Amino acid sequence: AQSVAQPEDQVNVAEGNPLTVKCTYSVSGNPYLFWYVQYPNRGLQFLLKYITGDNLVKGSYGFEAEFNKSQTSFHLKKPSALVSDSALYFCAVRPHGSSNTGKLIFGQGTTLQVKP
Amino acid sequence: DVKVTQSSRYLVKRTGEKVFLECVQDMDHENMFWYRQDPGLGLRLIYFSYDVKMKEKGDIPEGYSVSREKKERFSLILESASTNQTSMYLCASRFPRVSYGYTFGSGTRLTVV
Repeated sequence: AQSVAQPEDQVNVAEGNPLTVKCTYSVSGNPYLFWYVQYPNRGLQFLLKYITGDNLVKGSYGFEAEFNKSQTSFHLKKPSALVSDSALYFCAVRPHGSSNTGKLIFGQGTTLQVKP
Repeated sequence: DVKVTQSSRYLVKRTGEKVFLECVQDMDHENMFWYRQDPGLGLRLIYFSYDVKMKEKGDIPEGYSVSREKKERFSLILESASTNQTSMYLCASRFPRVSYGYTFGSGTRLTVV
């Protein structure tokens, strides 16, 4: 079955330190991978995507993600965390064969807590 | 900017009621989706529609139906609300064959009592 896993329910980091939010996936074919962020009482906002090309993709708010095909991972990173980055982060993958419908499979989410 | 508007932020309904959740998008997107979000489970797809009057079941369609009579509007219907349908419901839309993700609405938090 095609799936996405976010192994950490919560990640805690001090402001100014680098952060990583982990994501691994299991899909057939070449994956389309996404990261979304959700602030309290809001819908999800698109952060970045990997479709093809450079394994390091840059997105909004200084976030980046590294695609690693051999490890089937797509970890979200930021060199220096801000308190305002505290939110719920979702990794998502587009399953093989869903190019017209755009159906995505989401991970269970990781809460990022950045302390001052 | 694309806007996806969900008509209610908070709803409280009684068990057995028929509930309508409305979603409207303003960018002529063909694909629309309804997800429910529960802690620890992430987002689970209920139904999606890839064009007007076209719909497909997602992963958890039981107890739900949908309606898409116009391109801009996608309604989620709880035929007979139950307490296990208490959740956050998120609507999203997307233009097909473009390799970016969705635009989401702000969500409707439904409580069934």
